[in-house]
Amino acid sequence: SQKIEQNSEALNIQEGKTATLTCNYTNYSPAYLQWYRQDPGRGPVFLLLIRENEKEKRKERLKVTFDTTLKQSLFHITASQPADSATYLCALHSNTGKLIFGQGTTLQVKP
Amino acid sequence: GAVVSQHPSWVICKSGTSVKIECRSLDFQATTMFWYRQFPKQSLMLMATSNEGSKATYEQGVEKDKFLINHASLTLSTLTVTSAHPEDSSFYICSGPPRTRATDTQYFGPGTRLTVL
Repeated sequence: SQKIEQNSEALNIQEGKTATLTCNYTNYSPAYLQWYRQDPGRGPVFLLLIRENEKEKRKERLKVTFDTTLKQSLFHITASQPADSATYLCALHSNTGKLIFGQGTTLQVKP
Repeated sequence: GAVVSQHPSWVICKSGTSVKIECRSLDFQATTMFWYRQFPKQSLMLMATSNEGSKATYEQGVEKDKFLINHASLTLSTLTVTSAHPEDSSFYICSGPPRTRATDTQYFGPGTRLTVL
C-alpha cells in the first residue's frame, strides 16, 4: 500500500533561519504532491502543489522540491518567523484519487 | 479563495446520543466532499467520500451505519455520528474540491471537535 512519511515529528529553529521539512513516499508514483499548513484546532490550509514534471516550485518564502527518483519532497521556509510555527502536512493522491496525508511535522520558530 | 464552513465548531454529548455535523461550501459548488477524522497528534484519516445525490463511499473499517452521511445539495454535506461513544471523540474535518477547478486541491473546513462523555 502507498505510504507517506514525514520523518520529523517536531522541528525547532531560530527566527530568520531556513526550515526544511522532508516528506518521503513509497509504493507509488504520484502525479503531484501537496503541502498544507495546520494550526492547532483548525483545518489544514493549502500551501503549494507540485507536479511530477516540476523539480521546484516557489511561493513567497516557501519552496518545494519534488524528486521522483528519490521519492521525496522537501519543503523550505526561508527567513522563518514565529508566525510560521504550525504543523505542516504533505499529501499525495493515491491511485484511487484520494488524498493520503503524512503525519505532519510541527515547526516551532523561536524569536 | 474557496471557503468551507462547519457547524458546530465543537460539541459535547452524552454516550449513546447522536450528533450531526454540517459542512458547507460557501462560495463554490462541490459534487464531492470528503470527511476526515483526526486524533490528537495524528494525521488526517479519510473516513468517507460524500457524493451529491448518491450514496457515500466509506473507507475500510468505517461503519457506514454509525457515520451517516448525506449530501443533499452541491453546497451541503452532513455527517451524523449515531450512538456516539467516548472512542468517537475526535476532530472531524470536511473538505471539498471546487467542481469547476482543474486542480485537485482541497479546501478544508475549520473542523468540529466532538467530545463524547
